[in-house]
This record gives sequence, structure tokens and C-alpha cells, in this order.
Amino acid sequence: AQSVTQPDIHITVSEGASLELRCNYSYGATPYLFWYVQSPGQGLQLLLKYFSGDTLVQGIKGFEAEFKRSQSSFNLRKPSVHWSDAAEYFCAVAASGGSYIPTFGRGTSLIVHP
Amino acid sequence: NAGVTQTPKFQVLKTGQSMTLQCAQDMNHEYMSWYRQDPGMGLRLIHYSVGAGITDQGEVPNGYNVSRSTTEDFPLRLLSAAPSQTSVYFCASSPLAGSLDEQFFGPGTRLTVL
Repeated sequence: AQSVTQPDIHITVSEGASLELRCNYSYGATPYLFWYVQSPGQGLQLLLKYFSGDTLVQGIKGFEAEFKRSQSSFNLRKPSVHWSDAAEYFCAVAASGGSYIPTFGRGTSLIVHP
Repeated sequence: NAGVTQTPKFQVLKTGQSMTLQCAQDMNHEYMSWYRQDPGMGLRLIHYSVGAGITDQGEVPNGYNVSRSTTEDFPLRLLSAAPSQTSVYFCASSPLAGSLDEQFFGPGTRLTVL
């Protein structure tokens, strides 16, 4: 079974600073990887996903993520954070065989200081 | 399109009461699912459905029932509510079961069981 770990519960950055949110996965074969964002009081919205090909994936809202098989990681990055990026971020992994039902990490709460 | 809708937005129950959380989607999506979100736990899958008339259990199904009589609706039933079921519940849908399509989430139902 697949699993995903987000080691940081909270991350605090200043507006305009760069951001990296960590995600590590466990799965025997090539995983399918996702990042979702949850704004306060809202449901989740897909930021980006990786299935195959180029390991650097571009998403919405200026986010990108890089798949590193050797490190079993799929970290989310943004070069300059805006106050509106304050939200909860979830990494998810789905198995490459079967129903593709994703398993979500516990989430990382991003706090942005002005 | 309204997307994925959930009702009610908030609900307070007493222990032992029953209720149904409603979920509907107007996108003709095949796959629907229910998650619960608890602090520090991320999203955990309760039940899912790959099409009308077909449901299956997720990671935490105990205390919950579901049915899928139509493509559009996927209600979640709590037969005898317990304080441990205090949580935020999200319904999600995606176009095809067994695929890696993006999941679309509803706005959530915040349930408190006293």
C-alpha cells in the first residue's frame, strides 16, 4: 500500500520569500503524485500532478513541484509567496495499478507574514 | 455547473442521533467519495463509489453507510452518531473511476457530536 509523509505541520514564511513544502512517499512502483491546496473554510483544489515524463511539473498559481525518485520526494515550491497563499497544502499519492484512489498526507499549514 | 455541493454546512448532533450528509454533483462524474478531515490526520477515505449501484469501503468506514442510487447523489449516513465522528466531511468526485483525473471537492460539512 502507498503512503505519504509531510514532515512539516506548519511553515511560516515572509511575503515575497521563497517556499518549499516537503512530501515523501512510499510506494514500490512509479507513483502518481498530487498537490492540493485548501483555503480556509473551503474544499481542496488541485495545484498540480505528476504521472510521468518531465520530473519538474508546473501548476496553477505559480507553483511547481519536482519528482525525485532517488529521494522518494515530491516537494512543492514557489519562488515568491503572496499573502493569499496562506492555506493548508496536501500531498497525495496514488498507486499506478488498481483503482488509483489517492492517499493523502496529513497536510502542511502555510502561514505568511507581511 | 454547480460542481460538487454538500448540505448541510454545519450540523450539531447528540450522541446516538442519526443523520444523512448530502452530496451531489452535476458533472456526470462516475467516481464519488467521502473523506473526513481531522486535525493532524489529513484526509481519510470513508467510502467510495465507482458508479451507480456500486460502493466500497475506504480506510475508516465504521459507523457510516453509503448508497449510490443515481450518478449524481452519494449520501453519507450516520446511523448512531458518536463524539468520535466529530469532524469535517468532504465529498469529492472525478470523471472516471480507475483513472487519475483530478478530484473535485465540495465545500465540506462541519459536524459536531455532543
